[in-house]
Amino acid sequence: GENVEQHPSTLSVQEGDSAVIKCTYSDSASNYFPWYKQELGKGPQLIIDIRSNVGEKKDQRIAVTLNKTAKHFSLHITETQPEDSAVYFCAASTKGGGNKLTFGTGTQLKVEL
Amino acid sequence: GAVVSQHPSWVICKSGTSVKIECRSLDFQATTMFWYRQFPKQSLMLMATSNEGSKATYEQGVEKDKFLINHASLTLSTLTVTSAHPEDSSFYICSASHRQMDGYTFGSGTRLTVV
Repeated sequence: GENVEQHPSTLSVQEGDSAVIKCTYSDSASNYFPWYKQELGKGPQLIIDIRSNVGEKKDQRIAVTLNKTAKHFSLHITETQPEDSAVYFCAASTKGGGNKLTFGTGTQLKVEL
Repeated sequence: GAVVSQHPSWVICKSGTSVKIECRSLDFQATTMFWYRQFPKQSLMLMATSNEGSKATYEQGVEKDKFLINHASLTLSTLTVTSAHPEDSSFYICSASHRQMDGYTFGSGTRLTVV
C-alpha cells in the first residue's frame, strides 16, 4: 500500500518568514495530493491540493509543488503569520473520492512573533 | 463548499457502555465515508471505509465487532464504539467523499473519553 513520509516533524519560523514542508510517497499510482491544516481539537481543513497532471499550484500565500519522477511534493507558505501556527498534514490517494487517503505524519508549525 | 457535520463534538462515557458518533454530509451525497482515529500528537489512522449501502471495509487490526459502522444513506454514516474501554479514548474523525470527486471533506471530530 501507499506510504507517505513527511518532514520536518516540527518547524519554527519567525513571523514573515517562509515555511516549507516536504513529503514523499511510494505508490506511483497516487495522483491526488492534498494538504490539510489541523488546529487543536478540530478536524483537518483542506488548504490546497494538487493533481498529478500539474507541477505547481498557488493560492495567495500558499503553494504546492509536485515532482512525480521523484515522488515528492512540498508545501510552501510565504509571509507566515501567527495564525498559520497549526499541524499540517500531507496526504496522497489514487484518483477518485472513493479511494482512501494516506496521511503523512504531520508537521507542527509554530510562527513566532 | 462541501460541509460535513459530526456530532457529538465530545463525549464521556463509562467503561462497558456504547457510544454512537454521527457524521452527516449537508450539501452533497457522500458515496463513501471514512472513519479515522487520532491519538495525541499523531497522524490520522484510517479505521474503516464504507460505501453507501455496503458493509464497511476495516483496516487491519481494527475490530469490526467493536467499531460498528453504518452507512445506510448518502448523507449519514454512524460509528458505534461498543463496550468502550479507556484505551478507546481518542479523537474520532469522519470524512466524506463522492466517487466522482477528488476531494474529501472532514468532520470536526469527536473527542471520546472512556472512564
